[in-house]
Amino acid sequence: DVKVTQSSRYLVKRTGEKVFLECVQDMDHENMFWYRQDPGLGLRLIYFSYDVKMKEKGDIPEGYSVSREKKERFSLILESASTNQTSMYLCASLTDRENEQFFGPGTRLTVL
Amino acid sequence: AQSVTQLDSHVSVSEGTPVLLRCNYSSSYSPSLFWYVQHPNKGLQLLLKYTSAATLVKGINGFEAEFKKSETSFHLTKPSAHMSDAAEYFCVVSDGGSGGYNKLIFGAGTRLAVHP
Repeated sequence: DVKVTQSSRYLVKRTGEKVFLECVQDMDHENMFWYRQDPGLGLRLIYFSYDVKMKEKGDIPEGYSVSREKKERFSLILESASTNQTSMYLCASLTDRENEQFFGPGTRLTVL
Repeated sequence: AQSVTQLDSHVSVSEGTPVLLRCNYSSSYSPSLFWYVQHPNKGLQLLLKYTSAATLVKGINGFEAEFKKSETSFHLTKPSAHMSDAAEYFCVVSDGGSGGYNKLIFGAGTRLAVHP
């Protein structure tokens, strides 16, 4: 089974802090994604990566950056956290050979 | 552009009664469609997917969905609800692989409550 893991289930940070969210997948998938999930809005794509060191903006990239130095790891970075970034963050991975994305358990981030 | 509308934000059923979660989509071509489920404090799990094969798609846990092109619908059904079905359900359309991958467009979600 594909496994996507995220470094923290719950995280509390203060406004202005730099925040790192880590995601690791164990199935050698080429593509990885970061979403945020908010009530009534479903999931919205922040950034994705289709290869090591490659990244593309999603629908809501403002205030975020990403890093993909190794194929299995995709990091989401909040350079200066703000209260409107309080949300659930979900990571996903996808192989080029299929069209099903596999999701991690999520990180619930609270910015005070 | 592709979009997904889940017609009910909340659905409440009694255990043992049928479940219907409604989803309409818009797409300029033949889409791939998915239903995902999210149990409390868990990640998303794929229930079923339609990818231009049979229009009636069977998924896990007794769920199924029917692709109706004329109605642009992909409603999720289950004949008999179980308490463990209580969760949030997302209808999702794929944009068909632009940019080298399948971007997913999510509906806003339907929260299913199951009462004894």
